[in-house]
Amino acid sequence: EDQVTQSPEALRLQEGESSSLNCSYTVSGLRGLFWYRQDPGKGPEFLFTLYSAGEEKEKERLKATLTKKESFLHITAPKPEDSATYLCAVQGGAGGTSYGKLTFGQGTILTVHP
Amino acid sequence: GAVVSQHPSWVICKSGTSVKIECRSLDFQATTMFWYRQFPKQSLMLMATSNEGSKATYEQGVEKDKFLINHASLTLSTLTVTSAHPEDSSFYICSGLGGGNYEQYFGPGTRLTVT
Repeated sequence: EDQVTQSPEALRLQEGESSSLNCSYTVSGLRGLFWYRQDPGKGPEFLFTLYSAGEEKEKERLKATLTKKESFLHITAPKPEDSATYLCAVQGGAGGTSYGKLTFGQGTILTVHP
Repeated sequence: GAVVSQHPSWVICKSGTSVKIECRSLDFQATTMFWYRQFPKQSLMLMATSNEGSKATYEQGVEKDKFLINHASLTLSTLTVTSAHPEDSSFYICSGLGGGNYEQYFGPGTRLTVT
């Protein structure tokens, strides 16, 4: 069974204070690891897909990296508008897993204070 | 990026009535759509997977006779909550899977309150 664990559960930063969010996973046949941002009362917004260990992707102040066991979402010089819940999810490909099915972590609630 | 819409964005209904939620992929064809529910301060829980023209596949513990899913076209899936009860109150989110990159694009969600 695929499993995803995110840490920390909550993270408070001062504006400009860089940090990282962690996503540890176990999966049979990784098809992809996904990062989403979710604002209160809204659906998740797609950020990144990572497919293989060593891969990195960047978007504005965010950078996602992937190893065989975990992924990190690095936030550089965050701003208050980066405050949101960040969700990590994996899609496995073994054991007859339904195509496209995601397993989500519990999320990290990020609060950036001005 | 790909856009998914949901309608309505929120709905209040009385216990025992049925509610239909629509999910549309606006700029891509979603061969597969997913329905999730999310309780406050919790992550998304997959309810069912639907493929266009096929019967939906429900996750363990989800009542298929209570949560009716129809995926009649490549751009529209509907979720009908039948005989709703207060415990069905939740945030329902759909997503669409298009193309070969495994990426899911989520709708804005529907807040259901059953009184």
